[in-house]
Amino acid sequence: DTEVTQTPKHLVMGMTNKKSLKCEQHMGHRAMYWYKQKAKKPPELMFVYSYEKLSINESVPSRFSPECPNSSLLNLHLHALQPEDSALYLCASSPLEVRRMAGELFFGEGSRLTVL
Amino acid sequence: GQNIDQPTEMTATEGAIVQINCTYQTSGFNGLFWYQQHAGEAPTFLSYNVLDGLEEKGRFSSFLSRSKGYSYLLLKELQMKDSASYLCAVRRSGYSTLTFGKGTMLLVSP
Repeated sequence: DTEVTQTPKHLVMGMTNKKSLKCEQHMGHRAMYWYKQKAKKPPELMFVYSYEKLSINESVPSRFSPECPNSSLLNLHLHALQPEDSALYLCASSPLEVRRMAGELFFGEGSRLTVL
Repeated sequence: GQNIDQPTEMTATEGAIVQINCTYQTSGFNGLFWYQQHAGEAPTFLSYNVLDGLEEKGRFSSFLSRSKGYSYLLLKELQMKDSASYLCAVRRSGYSTLTFGKGTMLLVSP
């Protein structure tokens, strides 16, 4: 299994809603990531979890709240978002062990979020 | 910080060869990656270089010169399905994360 699965694929929410994006991988990767991608822009890193612990938060507003319940799952909880938060949210995973290919990111297909 | 530059757009003809360049400036280099991204889809891994030289993988090759902060992705025997955005990404030492360049949109025409 070399897939990263994200749900939902599409989400429309109002600014007062609370919703969650989910990500799952069964490749045994111990690093998981959330990236945000606006149209015609590169992916921008939001959060990194290493061994289920938050290791990097790229100064993301608190209306985005990540959670890593176990080594296979990564969630992104959304609350009180703004229209400018509309984007494609990509989950990725990678192995952490030291070997030549370490660091290759495997991306999910993304969750396309629209905030009204 | 990091600075990654690549051309915004390129066009080429089916069957031709195209080279997409990427220059980077980073403190503590630990690998350069190329990803392909079709519109509306997730990026997919193409290649990885951490040592100087050429890595060949079928129709795709990637080259790295660490002293020049320079890489290129070479696509041979272009096909229509190669029309996509090509992202250059750099990893820094001590970090597992990648920082992406703005991407090069390649349009392959008949």
